[in-house]
Amino acid sequence: DIQMTQSPSSVSASVGDRVTITCRASQGISSWLAWYQQEPGRAPKLLIYAASSLQSGVPSRFSGSGSGTDFTLTISSLQPEDFATYYCQQTNSFPWTFGQGTKVEIK
Amino acid sequence: EVQLVESGGGLVQPGGSLRLSCAASGFTFTKSGMNWVRQAPGRGLEWISYISDSSSVKYYADSVRGRFTISRDNAKSSLYLQMNSLRDEDTAVYYCAGGGVVVRRLDPWGQGTLVTVSS
Repeated sequence: DIQMTQSPSSVSASVGDRVTITCRASQGISSWLAWYQQEPGRAPKLLIYAASSLQSGVPSRFSGSGSGTDFTLTISSLQPEDFATYYCQQTNSFPWTFGQGTKVEIK
Repeated sequence: EVQLVESGGGLVQPGGSLRLSCAASGFTFTKSGMNWVRQAPGRGLEWISYISDSSSVKYYADSVRGRFTISRDNAKSSLYLQMNSLRDEDTAVYYCAGGGVVVRRLDPWGQGTLVTVSS
């Protein structure tokens, strides 16, 4: 199985900050990586797919990059509604594994 | 409106069985692969099963293989998860999510249904 490792596990940031979350795959996954946002008590929401494609309706301050084993999710200017937990997921091969999550907290 | 609505969760004793359902609307269910993802209390997301649009292909996580069975009824736009031999560690919120091997992403998601395995 492909292991997905996110860092950091949590980050404290202020509104307006630039936040970067990284995700590393244990083997190459091409660009088959998705990012999800989950607010407490809510279902996950797709943000980015195919490593860098922005899901319809998602604000442009979210962006993704990377290929192979190393990927990044960037929030260019953190907004109050962005405080949540973010997960990466590889969809290169089954089982479609998730990273352990990164919690973005208010500083 | 695209919507997935899960049902069937509840309290069950260890060793027991439960069947989850997921009703789909607002998108072409018959052309979409479907998945089940779960989240234990205070923990991260765990993908557990996939079924192709025609039901010809099914995949399972090691943690549930041999105990859980995924199925679907395209005539009813419904997805199912039959869970047998339930264990304490199966306690989680179970989400259904659309997404197959062509699109390679999970969207949309249901609101989730809580399964509690406890004596």
